Amino acid sequence: SSELTQDPAVSVALGQTVRITCQGDSLRSYYASWYQQKPGQAPVLVIYGKNNRPSGIPDRFSGSSSGNTASLTITGAQAEDEADYYCNSRDSSGNPWVFGGGTKLTVL
Amino acid sequence: QLQLQESGPGLVKPSETLSLTCTVSGGSISSSSYYWGWIRQPPGKGLEWIGSIYYSGSTYYNPSLKSRVTISVDTSKNQFSLKLSSVTAADTAVYYCARHRTTVPNDAFDIWGQGTMVTVSS
Repeated sequence: SSELTQDPAVSVALGQTVRITCQGDSLRSYYASWYQQKPGQAPVLVIYGKNNRPSGIPDRFSGSSSGNTASLTITGAQAEDEADYYCNSRDSSGNPWVFGGGTKLTVL
Repeated sequence: QLQLQESGPGLVKPSETLSLTCTVSGGSISSSSYYWGWIRQPPGKGLEWIGSIYYSGSTYYNPSLKSRVTISVDTSKNQFSLKLSSVTAADTAVYYCARHRTTVPNDAFDIWGQGTMVTVSS
């Protein structure tokens, strides 16, 4: 089982702001990276480190962290943001890296 | 730009060994600062990190799979490979290879292959 916990599903109205969270003890020591996965496609890195976006990722995506919780925020969600989102980080229980279970984002 | 491409059999029999190769193009697998990783995703389920390797051969493995997994690298071919032994139906998944930056605090899987579906069935 994953040591990083995500809500299975989240919804947001078009143009509104949504926060997707990832909880785990290791997040007190390490940042999470975040991945967007659309149906039938490979995951794409959207946020890494303290709050870094790879080239080509819109600035409506941002990351933050507090205590044992990492968050991915989409400010002004677009229809094309509808996807599964996964967090990844080091694991404090011996597994070098672990993924969260994923959150399915629906844009209404 | 850097690209990764998985290749290997799409069907493996139970108890046999799954073997996949990832070919890196547009850059060198011997780059410092990067490991090279394997991640899998069973149908309809989430992502699972399998393991990662440095060009020197240094490896990290998921403890839950470590007894069955071997990851190797061939710098002359710019490739790295995955072997998973004693497979069962539970190993049926899309297998992805990815470039793995392991330098804290910016560790991330930043470039992914398109993935390859492997089915375990007799």
